[in-house]
Amino acid sequence: SQQGEEDPQALSIQEGENATMNCSYKTSINNLQWYRQNSGRGLVHLILIRSNEREKHSGRLRVTLDTSKKSSSLLITASRAADTASYFCATDGGYQKVTFGIGTKLQVIP
Amino acid sequence: AAGVIQSPRHLIKEKRETATLKCYPIPRHDTVYWYQQGPGQDPQFLISFYEKMQSDKGSIPDRFSAQQFSDYHSELNMSSLELGDSALYFCASSLRTNTDTQYFGPGTRLTVL
Repeated sequence: SQQGEEDPQALSIQEGENATMNCSYKTSINNLQWYRQNSGRGLVHLILIRSNEREKHSGRLRVTLDTSKKSSSLLITASRAADTASYFCATDGGYQKVTFGIGTKLQVIP
Repeated sequence: AAGVIQSPRHLIKEKRETATLKCYPIPRHDTVYWYQQGPGQDPQFLISFYEKMQSDKGSIPDRFSAQQFSDYHSELNMSSLELGDSALYFCASSLRTNTDTQYFGPGTRLTVL
């Protein structure tokens, strides 16, 4: 069964706007991570938030985690065309085996 | 900084052939993971190794095997290849005693004809 499910699956915004992607998961986790993947390329780690954290910032990224709702959100502020990519949330329930969601495809229009 | 290295980057094989994918983790990382990502799919965990021992197993077919060597590099061996094995294969590494962050390699794109 899918552990992480991103919402929306596709998002198209204008450059400069903010992009918000959500992720829900089913089982308890140690941490949740967000990755970016440019089309057909490798996965780039963006940010990790632990189960006892509620919010984390890194540059233009802001991640929130609500363990009671088993959900997380990734906010990219002041988006740029270079942010165009697929974004995956991935949960780690233990032993560091990461389970990925289906991803949100973000398109930032210049 | 050194990253995870995978080789080859691209591989084309015929059905029923075998393939070997290699992964060189970040120096001093002791754990290696393999993932398979089919076209338009999310990455699926295959198998992981910690200190040269298999630590976890996911949806890895019986036709596939993997191992981690004394220098911590890992190889994924795939036999009797099928068309459905065409995918991006990612290797990731981490340091178990440090953060839980996995660092991914660029992937090997396997095409089975």
